[in-house]
Amino acid sequence: GENVEQHPSTLSVQEGDSAVIKCTYSDSASNYFPWYKQELGKRPQLIIDIRSNVGEKKDQRIAVTLNKTAKHFSLHITETQPEDSAVYFCAASSGGSQGNLIFGKGTKLSVKP
Amino acid sequence: EAEVAQSPRYKITEKSQAVAFWCDPISGHATLYWYRQILGQGPELLVQFQDESVVDDSQLPKDRFSAERLKGVDSTLKIQPAELGDSAMYLCASGLGFGNEQFFGPGTRLTVL
Repeated sequence: GENVEQHPSTLSVQEGDSAVIKCTYSDSASNYFPWYKQELGKRPQLIIDIRSNVGEKKDQRIAVTLNKTAKHFSLHITETQPEDSAVYFCAASSGGSQGNLIFGKGTKLSVKP
Repeated sequence: EAEVAQSPRYKITEKSQAVAFWCDPISGHATLYWYRQILGQGPELLVQFQDESVVDDSQLPKDRFSAERLKGVDSTLKIQPAELGDSAMYLCASGLGFGNEQFFGPGTRLTVL
């Protein structure tokens, strides 16, 4: 089955710097890769997603890149702000017909003012 | 904006007792998911419904866990008997199916004493 590895587990940056979180997946049949942000005590919320027919997607300060050959995808946050502080989860769809999501273990991002 | 509702938000129980969690998905979402999230880890799928049918329960500990979505709308997840290792956040999510955003509820924090 699908396995998703996420690094780093914690990341601390200064406000205004960039942050990069990386994930690898094992199932070459995976074709949907969402990123979720979970603030302390709150529900996970989708911030960006990418499908396997696209190599990069941007939304304001957030971008995701996908390398299908290497089976890895990354989240890039530019000009970080204190409100970006949260736990970020990557996920990959399983290769089965239902395409269930397999989540990484999360990255705790801290943005210091 | 429509949101997924869950209740209760917190539940404390003793081991060997029965507990039940309720989820009301966003109207029109045929797909409903129950996840378990252990502190410091990503959500793990327990069961997926398409309308009233279970389409994936491969990770559901069926000796003690059960889930139903009788009318294809709201859903109940039950644990009987609860064990210490069941302490976790139980998240419900709904969506339009594979490759579409999953919208998470606020979760039920279960503590088993």
